[in-house]
Amino acid sequence: KNQVEQSPQSLIILEGKNCTLQCNYTVSPFSNLRWYKQDTGRGPVSLTIMTFSENTKSNGRYTATLDADTKQSSLHITASQLSDSASYICVVSGRGPGGFKTIFGAGTRLFVKA
Amino acid sequence: EADIYQTPRYLVIGTGKKITLECSQTMGHDKMYWYQQDPGMELHLIHYSYGVNSTEKGDLSSESTVSRIRTEHFPLTLESARPSHTSQYLCASSAGQGFSTDTQYFGPGTRLTVL
Repeated sequence: KNQVEQSPQSLIILEGKNCTLQCNYTVSPFSNLRWYKQDTGRGPVSLTIMTFSENTKSNGRYTATLDADTKQSSLHITASQLSDSASYICVVSGRGPGGFKTIFGAGTRLFVKA
Repeated sequence: EADIYQTPRYLVIGTGKKITLECSQTMGHDKMYWYQQDPGMELHLIHYSYGVNSTEKGDLSSESTVSRIRTEHFPLTLESARPSHTSQYLCASSAGQGFSTDTQYFGPGTRLTVL
């Protein structure tokens, strides 16, 4: 079964600290992996997108890594800010006999405290 | 910020009513999507469209229907709302080579409560 598992479910950190969010997936075949940021009550906003040939991609203070062999990805946030408080969603897409599949993880809820 | 709009933002309605959730985008994107998201849970694709007069059902079965008569407009309709339809509905659009490779731009969502 195609799945996307994210950990931790929630995380509290102090402003200025770094953190790393994890995403493990079993979606096969694999096409790409995306990380989204979703503020409460808003739609998700794309942070990064990586294909199987890429193993790292940065967007400002956000750096995503991908290991397509172990089917793991991480999102590292550097020097966190209060505005980073949000849900971070890992999304994995692949193309199989039934067509394209896009599976969303349940997200990691990040709280940044002053 | 993406130019994709959803109305209403919040809707509380009684069982059995017919409702239409509006979604419009001004980016000229050919692909549009509807997702359903319960609080704290993952998004599930319920409908998508590759272009005008093209609509497909998504991964999650839904009693809603959609239409795509104009490129910029992708409304979702529930003929008879029920409490089980209570959820957040997110609309998105994209342009590019393929459904699974495009970056999708999301609207702010409509939070629907059916009493």
